[in-house]
Amino acid sequence: AQKVTQAQTEISVVEKEDVTLDCVYETRDTTYYLFWYKQPPSGELVFLIRRNSFDEQNEISGRYSWNFQKSTSSFNFTITASQVVDSAVYFCALIPLNSNSGYALNFGKGTSLLVTP
Amino acid sequence: DVKVTQSSRYLVKRTGEKVFLECVQDMDHENMFWYRQDPGLGLRLIYFSYDVKMKEKGDIPEGYSVSREKKERFSLILESASTNQTSMYLCASSTIGLASLNEQFFGPGTRLTVL
Repeated sequence: AQKVTQAQTEISVVEKEDVTLDCVYETRDTTYYLFWYKQPPSGELVFLIRRNSFDEQNEISGRYSWNFQKSTSSFNFTITASQVVDSAVYFCALIPLNSNSGYALNFGKGTSLLVTP
Repeated sequence: DVKVTQSSRYLVKRTGEKVFLECVQDMDHENMFWYRQDPGLGLRLIYFSYDVKMKEKGDIPEGYSVSREKKERFSLILESASTNQTSMYLCASSTIGLASLNEQFFGPGTRLTVL
Protein backbone atom coordinates (compact mmCIF):
# COMPACT_ATOMS: atom_id res chain seq x y z
CA ALA A 1 0.00 0.00 0.00
CA GLN A 2 1.10 3.52 -0.63
CA LYS A 3 0.87 6.43 1.75
CA VAL A 4 1.83 10.07 1.53
CA THR A 5 2.04 12.14 4.70
CA GLN A 6 2.05 15.90 4.79
CA ALA A 7 2.29 16.60 8.48
CA GLN A 8 1.85 20.35 8.17
CA THR A 9 -1.83 21.14 7.80
CA GLU A 10 -1.46 24.91 7.65
CA ILE A 11 1.50 27.25 7.42
CA SER A 12 1.41 31.01 7.63
CA VAL A 13 4.39 33.16 6.67
CA VAL A 14 5.07 36.77 5.93
CA GLU A 15 6.02 37.72 2.41
CA LYS A 16 9.71 37.22 1.55
CA GLU A 17 10.17 34.50 4.12
CA ASP A 18 11.40 31.09 2.98
CA VAL A 19 9.08 28.19 3.68
CA THR A 20 9.50 24.41 3.41
CA LEU A 21 6.61 22.03 2.91
CA ASP A 22 7.30 18.52 4.12
CA CYS A 23 6.31 15.29 2.38
CA VAL A 24 7.04 11.77 3.59
CA TYR A 25 5.96 8.74 1.62
CA GLU A 26 5.64 5.00 2.02
CA THR A 27 5.66 2.41 -0.73
CA ARG A 28 6.86 -1.13 -1.23
CA ASP A 29 7.68 -0.49 -4.85
CA THR A 30 11.28 0.16 -5.73
CA THR A 31 10.25 2.28 -8.69
CA TYR A 32 7.83 5.09 -8.15
CA TYR A 33 7.10 8.67 -9.09
CA LEU A 34 6.62 11.62 -6.81
CA PHE A 35 4.74 14.79 -7.63
CA TRP A 36 3.87 18.17 -6.24
CA TYR A 37 0.69 19.97 -7.23
CA LYS A 38 -0.51 23.44 -6.33
CA GLN A 39 -4.19 24.26 -5.82
CA PRO A 40 -4.80 28.01 -5.78
CA PRO A 41 -8.08 29.46 -4.49
CA SER A 42 -9.57 29.04 -7.97
CA GLY A 43 -9.55 25.29 -7.33
CA GLU A 44 -7.74 23.85 -10.33
CA LEU A 45 -4.74 21.69 -9.53
CA VAL A 46 -1.54 22.80 -11.21
CA PHE A 47 1.34 20.43 -11.78
CA LEU A 48 4.67 21.60 -10.35
CA ILE A 49 7.14 18.75 -10.58
CA ARG A 50 7.64 15.04 -11.07
CA ARG A 51 10.52 12.96 -9.77
CA ASN A 52 11.21 9.27 -10.31
CA SER A 53 12.76 7.10 -7.64
CA PHE A 54 16.06 6.75 -9.49
CA ASP A 55 16.70 10.43 -9.71
CA GLU A 56 17.69 11.92 -6.38
CA GLN A 57 19.04 15.10 -7.84
CA ASN A 58 17.56 18.14 -6.24
CA GLU A 59 15.82 20.54 -8.54
CA ILE A 60 15.47 24.27 -8.60
CA SER A 61 12.98 26.21 -10.66
CA GLY A 62 13.05 29.90 -9.94
CA ARG A 63 12.01 30.40 -6.33
CA TYR A 64 10.95 26.75 -6.02
CA SER A 65 13.25 23.91 -5.04
CA TRP A 66 12.73 20.27 -4.20
CA ASN A 67 14.81 18.01 -2.00
CA PHE A 68 14.36 14.28 -2.64
CA GLN A 69 15.96 11.91 -0.15
CA LYS A 70 15.26 8.21 -0.53
CA SER A 71 17.06 7.43 2.73
CA THR A 72 14.37 9.28 4.66
CA SER A 73 11.55 8.74 2.13
CA SER A 74 11.05 12.46 1.87
CA PHE A 75 10.35 14.85 -0.96
CA ASN A 76 10.29 18.32 0.52
CA PHE A 77 9.38 21.52 -1.28
CA THR A 78 10.90 24.91 -0.49
CA ILE A 79 9.68 28.28 -1.64
CA THR A 80 12.30 30.99 -1.35
CA ALA A 81 11.27 34.59 -0.80
CA SER A 82 7.58 33.71 -0.67
CA GLN A 83 4.99 35.92 -2.32
CA VAL A 84 1.30 36.44 -1.73
CA VAL A 85 0.57 34.61 -4.99
CA ASP A 86 2.11 31.49 -3.47
CA SER A 87 -0.88 31.22 -1.16
CA ALA A 88 -2.50 27.91 -2.03
CA VAL A 89 -2.92 24.34 -0.95
CA TYR A 90 0.02 22.18 -1.96
CA PHE A 91 -0.28 18.46 -2.47
CA CYS A 92 2.42 15.85 -2.58
CA ALA A 93 1.52 12.66 -4.45
CA LEU A 94 2.93 9.28 -5.36
CA ILE A 95 2.44 6.79 -8.19
CA PRO A 96 4.08 3.38 -7.85
CA LEU A 97 5.34 1.74 -11.02
CA ASN A 98 3.29 -1.35 -10.33
CA SER A 99 0.14 0.63 -10.05
CA ASN A 100 -3.15 -1.24 -10.13
CA SER A 101 -5.13 1.97 -10.38
CA GLY A 102 -4.27 3.17 -13.85
CA TYR A 103 -1.51 5.35 -12.49
CA ALA A 104 -3.85 7.36 -10.33
CA LEU A 105 -2.18 9.73 -7.93
CA ASN A 106 -1.99 8.82 -4.25
CA PHE A 107 -2.27 12.20 -2.58
CA GLY A 108 -1.24 13.50 0.80
CA LYS A 109 -3.81 15.55 2.66
CA GLY A 110 -2.27 18.81 1.56
CA THR A 111 -0.64 21.77 3.24
CA SER A 112 -2.42 25.10 3.15
CA LEU A 113 0.07 27.91 2.77
CA LEU A 114 -0.91 31.49 3.54
CA VAL A 115 1.51 34.25 2.65
CA THR A 116 0.63 37.62 4.08
CA PRO A 117 2.01 40.98 2.97
CA ASP B 1 -4.18 24.85 -24.77
CA VAL B 2 -4.99 21.50 -23.21
CA LYS B 3 -8.19 21.31 -21.33
CA VAL B 4 -10.27 19.25 -18.98
CA THR B 5 -13.71 20.73 -18.49
CA GLN B 6 -16.40 19.83 -16.02
CA SER B 7 -20.03 20.53 -16.66
CA SER B 8 -20.71 22.59 -13.54
CA ARG B 9 -18.64 24.53 -11.01
CA TYR B 10 -21.40 24.46 -8.41
CA LEU B 11 -24.30 22.08 -8.04
CA VAL B 12 -27.01 21.78 -5.40
CA LYS B 13 -29.10 18.63 -5.27
CA ARG B 14 -31.54 17.02 -2.88
CA THR B 15 -31.11 13.75 -1.07
CA GLY B 16 -32.20 10.83 -3.23
CA GLU B 17 -31.74 12.60 -6.55
CA LYS B 18 -29.73 11.02 -9.33
CA VAL B 19 -26.77 13.25 -10.12
CA PHE B 20 -24.57 13.31 -13.21
CA LEU B 21 -21.17 14.99 -13.20
CA GLU B 22 -19.66 15.30 -16.64
CA CYS B 23 -16.02 15.59 -17.59
CA VAL B 24 -14.61 16.18 -21.05
CA GLN B 25 -10.97 16.29 -22.15
CA ASP B 26 -9.65 17.40 -25.50
CA MET B 27 -6.21 15.82 -25.33
CA ASP B 28 -7.10 12.35 -26.65
CA HIS B 29 -6.00 10.88 -23.32
CA GLU B 30 -6.65 7.23 -22.57
CA ASN B 31 -6.81 7.51 -18.79
CA MET B 32 -9.46 9.43 -16.94
CA PHE B 33 -10.03 9.72 -13.22
CA TRP B 34 -12.57 10.97 -10.73
CA TYR B 35 -11.33 12.18 -7.35
CA ARG B 36 -13.18 13.52 -4.41
CA GLN B 37 -11.64 16.25 -2.26
CA ASP B 38 -12.65 16.83 1.35
CA PRO B 39 -11.04 19.09 3.97
CA GLY B 40 -8.44 17.23 5.97
CA LEU B 41 -8.66 14.16 3.73
CA GLY B 42 -6.96 15.36 0.57
CA LEU B 43 -7.99 13.84 -2.74
CA ARG B 44 -9.26 10.29 -2.91
CA LEU B 45 -9.77 8.20 -6.02
CA ILE B 46 -13.36 7.18 -6.74
CA TYR B 47 -13.13 5.52 -10.15
CA PHE B 48 -10.82 5.50 -13.13
CA SER B 49 -11.00 4.41 -16.72
CA TYR B 50 -8.17 3.45 -19.04
CA ASP B 51 -10.23 3.00 -22.18
CA VAL B 52 -13.68 3.45 -23.62
CA LYS B 53 -16.23 1.32 -21.77
CA MET B 54 -13.57 0.25 -19.28
CA LYS B 55 -13.85 1.26 -15.65
CA GLU B 56 -12.17 0.30 -12.43
CA LYS B 57 -12.97 1.06 -8.81
CA GLY B 58 -10.71 3.33 -6.87
CA ASP B 59 -10.44 3.68 -3.12
CA ILE B 60 -13.95 4.93 -2.37
CA PRO B 61 -16.40 3.73 -5.07
CA GLU B 62 -19.37 3.11 -2.79
CA GLY B 63 -22.40 5.13 -3.81
CA TYR B 64 -20.95 6.03 -7.20
CA SER B 65 -20.86 4.65 -10.70
CA VAL B 66 -19.23 5.87 -13.90
CA SER B 67 -19.73 5.79 -17.61
CA ARG B 68 -17.27 6.14 -20.45
CA GLU B 69 -19.00 5.76 -23.78
CA LYS B 70 -16.59 8.01 -25.64
CA LYS B 71 -12.89 8.49 -25.17
CA GLU B 72 -13.14 12.17 -24.34
CA ARG B 73 -15.98 11.94 -21.85
CA PHE B 74 -16.08 10.39 -18.37
CA SER B 75 -19.21 10.73 -16.29
CA LEU B 76 -19.60 10.24 -12.57
CA ILE B 77 -23.05 9.17 -11.42
CA LEU B 78 -24.52 9.38 -7.96
CA GLU B 79 -27.45 6.99 -8.17
CA SER B 80 -29.14 8.35 -5.05
CA ALA B 81 -27.37 11.36 -3.64
CA SER B 82 -26.78 11.52 0.08
CA THR B 83 -25.59 14.34 2.31
CA ASN B 84 -22.25 12.61 2.90
CA GLN B 85 -21.55 13.01 -0.81
CA THR B 86 -21.35 16.77 -0.41
CA SER B 87 -17.85 17.43 -1.63
CA MET B 88 -15.59 18.83 -4.32
CA TYR B 89 -15.27 16.49 -7.29
CA LEU B 90 -12.24 16.68 -9.54
CA CYS B 91 -11.79 15.02 -12.88
CA ALA B 92 -8.37 14.36 -14.40
CA SER B 93 -6.91 12.78 -17.50
CA SER B 94 -3.53 11.47 -18.62
CA THR B 95 -1.91 9.46 -21.37
CA ILE B 96 -0.82 5.89 -20.74
CA GLY B 97 2.63 4.46 -20.19
CA LEU B 98 5.63 5.40 -18.13
CA ALA B 99 6.84 8.03 -20.51
CA SER B 100 3.66 9.95 -19.99
CA LEU B 101 3.82 10.10 -16.23
CA ASN B 102 4.59 13.75 -16.34
CA GLU B 103 1.30 15.00 -15.14
CA GLN B 104 -2.36 14.47 -14.89
CA PHE B 105 -4.43 17.36 -16.15
CA PHE B 106 -7.21 18.41 -13.84
CA GLY B 107 -10.51 20.09 -14.43
CA PRO B 108 -11.67 23.06 -12.32
CA GLY B 109 -13.78 20.90 -10.05
CA THR B 110 -17.48 20.66 -9.25
CA ARG B 111 -18.56 21.64 -5.77
CA LEU B 112 -21.60 19.50 -5.04
CA THR B 113 -23.92 20.20 -2.14
CA VAL B 114 -26.55 17.61 -1.25
CA LEU B 115 -29.34 18.94 0.93
